[in-house]
Amino acid sequence: NAGVTQTPKFRILKIGQSMTLQCAQDMNHNYMYWYRQDPGMGLKLIYYSVGAGITDKGEVPNGYNVSRSTTEDFPLRLELAAPSQTSVYFCASSLHTSGKVHEQYFGPGTRLTVT
Amino acid sequence: AQTVTQSQPEMSVQEAETVTLSCTYDTSESDYYLFWYKQPPSRQMILVIRQEAYKQQNATENRFSVNFQKAAKSFSLKISDSQLGDAAMYFCAYRSARSYTGANSKLTFGKGITLSVRP
Repeated sequence: NAGVTQTPKFRILKIGQSMTLQCAQDMNHNYMYWYRQDPGMGLKLIYYSVGAGITDKGEVPNGYNVSRSTTEDFPLRLELAAPSQTSVYFCASSLHTSGKVHEQYFGPGTRLTVT
Repeated sequence: AQTVTQSQPEMSVQEAETVTLSCTYDTSESDYYLFWYKQPPSRQMILVIRQEAYKQQNATENRFSVNFQKAAKSFSLKISDSQLGDAAMYFCAYRSARSYTGANSKLTFGKGITLSVRP
C-alpha cells in the first residue's frame, strides 16, 4: 500500500493563479481531510469528506473548494491564490466504522508559496 | 469548541535522558481521544501514542508514555532514553468520541513543541 499520497510536493504560485492539490489513498478509507499548517502552528481543518459525493467545511474553508467523486481521491482547489494561503497542506484519511475509532493517516504534505 | 494548548514552544534534552512534554486541553465532553503526533523535518505526521478518555490506565508505547489527568485536563508525553531520532516537533491533538460522523471526527491540534536532543 502506498498509503496517502499528495502531489505536488512543492509549488510556487503567483497571486491570482489557481491550482489543484491532489490527494489519493489506497486503503479504502471512507473519511478524508484537508488540513493546513502555518509556520509555528498546529494543523487546522479546511474541508473533510465522509464518503464519495459528500463534503463539508472545516474551520478555515475560505478560498478553497473540494470534490470527492471517488473513494480514493480528494483534490483541493485553490482559486485566486492569495499570500495568506502560503502554508503546508496535509491530506489525511481514516476508516470510520460503527463503534470504533481508527487513526488518521497523513500524506507527506505540499508546501505552497504564494508570491 | 475544544481547544488544545501547548505552552512550551521549545524543549531540549540530553541523549539517553528523559523529557516530558506538556499539553492541556479544554472540552465539555466526557468521552474523547487524545493523541501525540511527531513531525520530523521530513514533515511527515507520525502517530506516537493515543489515549482513550474512558480508560484510566495511561497508554504506553515502548519508550513513550503519557500521564493522563482527566480532571485536570492534562495530557503529557514522557520520552524515556531519548535518542537523536526523537528530535522533532510534537503535537498534542484532541478528537471527540461523541460521534464518528462529520466534523466530530476531525483532530484539533495544539501549536506544537520543538524538541531538540543533545548528543
